[in-house]
Amino acid sequence: QVQLQQSGPGLVKPSETLSLICTVSGGSISGYYWSWIRQPPGKGLEWIGFTSNSVSTTYNPSLGSRVTISMDTSKNQVSLNLSSVSAADTAMYYCATTNVWLSWSSWGQGTLVTVSA
Amino acid sequence: EIVMTQSPATLSVSPGERVTLSCRASQSISSNLAWYQQKPGQAPRLLIYGASTRATGIPARFSGSGSGTEFTLTISSLQSEDFAVYYCQQFSTWPLTFGGGTKVQIK
Repeated sequence: QVQLQQSGPGLVKPSETLSLICTVSGGSISGYYWSWIRQPPGKGLEWIGFTSNSVSTTYNPSLGSRVTISMDTSKNQVSLNLSSVSAADTAMYYCATTNVWLSWSSWGQGTLVTVSA
Repeated sequence: EIVMTQSPATLSVSPGERVTLSCRASQSISSNLAWYQQKPGQAPRLLIYGASTRATGIPARFSGSGSGTEFTLTISSLQSEDFAVYYCQQFSTWPLTFGGGTKVQIK
């Protein structure tokens, strides 16, 4: 089973871009489906978006055009960019993967991102 | 967007009891449903996919059933390590959506 290691800043200023990376070991990212999922403190899970090869991507309409998910096969990494953040984007962010269609079997450790000046 | 509704929000249970959690979809999702368990400070863990298939390494005391709009997760005999929050998630239609969760706590 693949191992996922997340990295990125825990504090982002309002209106700036949140950028997180999920580095994968134990398998090639090309063989899996990928999502980013977030969880505001004390609340439930919200799906952010999906990719399977950086060409096939789908995003949650609730986030509009602020989200970009991409894959770097040379580094075996999946990344998330969320632009124009506000306090409402404060959450634990998870990368997740699977080889079973859209049921997320492996998760990163999570990154708590706080949006604050 | 498909709305997933879980009930009850909280369930107080004694170890050894049988537990039944419910998840309802706002429209038919066939068997495109997964269940997750989340403990405090941890990422969610996949328990069930395809409504009834246990994920790798999941004990047999966990079972899922249902199709269409009504789904159930059953824990046949609750163990101490099963106290957690449980979420359902549909993958029939974009966007993927989760239920609000059921917290299973000690009675």
